[in-house]
Amino acid sequence: GDQVEQSPSALSLHEGTDSALRCNFTTTMRSVQWFRQNSRGSLISLFYLASGTKENGRLKSAFDSKERRYSTLHIRDAQLEDSGTYFCAANTGANTGKLTFGHGTILRVHP
Amino acid sequence: GALVYQYPRRTICKSGTSMRMECQAVGFQATSVAWYRQSPQKTFELIALSTVNSAIKYEQNFTQEKFPISHPNLSFSSMTVLNAYLEDRGLYLCGAWGANTGQLYFGEGSKLTVL
Repeated sequence: GDQVEQSPSALSLHEGTDSALRCNFTTTMRSVQWFRQNSRGSLISLFYLASGTKENGRLKSAFDSKERRYSTLHIRDAQLEDSGTYFCAANTGANTGKLTFGHGTILRVHP
Repeated sequence: GALVYQYPRRTICKSGTSMRMECQAVGFQATSVAWYRQSPQKTFELIALSTVNSAIKYEQNFTQEKFPISHPNLSFSSMTVLNAYLEDRGLYLCGAWGANTGQLYFGEGSKLTVL
């Protein structure tokens, strides 16, 4: 079965509001990356976490350091340009860069 | 910084023909390169993982005969989709990983359309 469960699958936000995406892992993960895919298909790396939290502007991500079974991406003060499809991807452990992707969250921010 | 260039961005080919795509890592040493396909439904499948000086490991349902990969050095990799058919449509992405970086850096993808 799927090792990465991402939720929600779709999200509609008013400009200026906050929300969070979540990925649950069915097994312990070594690290997690969050991406935004733009309309051209490019995967833009937002965060890479092996533990703890990271923040970049209005985005903040956390990776459960204890059991390593979930990660979150928080969006604060959502803007129109945040619209896109967000993916989490986790590394199961082998030190090779092989990632297992979630199914994505389609985010739409509207005025 | 670390960048990955992937080309071509898109290819339209006739059924039964082939498409080759290339991936160039800049600013870091790409110890491993992972080739993924994103289906029109947006799900990702790992095709194969190539590590320099090791055998290329293909995932189930993907073979070297169909998706030959070359990874001759720490900055370049290429993959060909041979005898492409409708089921091969999608966005092909190369992700390069460096031992010193920990994370995977992706190229912009090569979109394959098969007529």
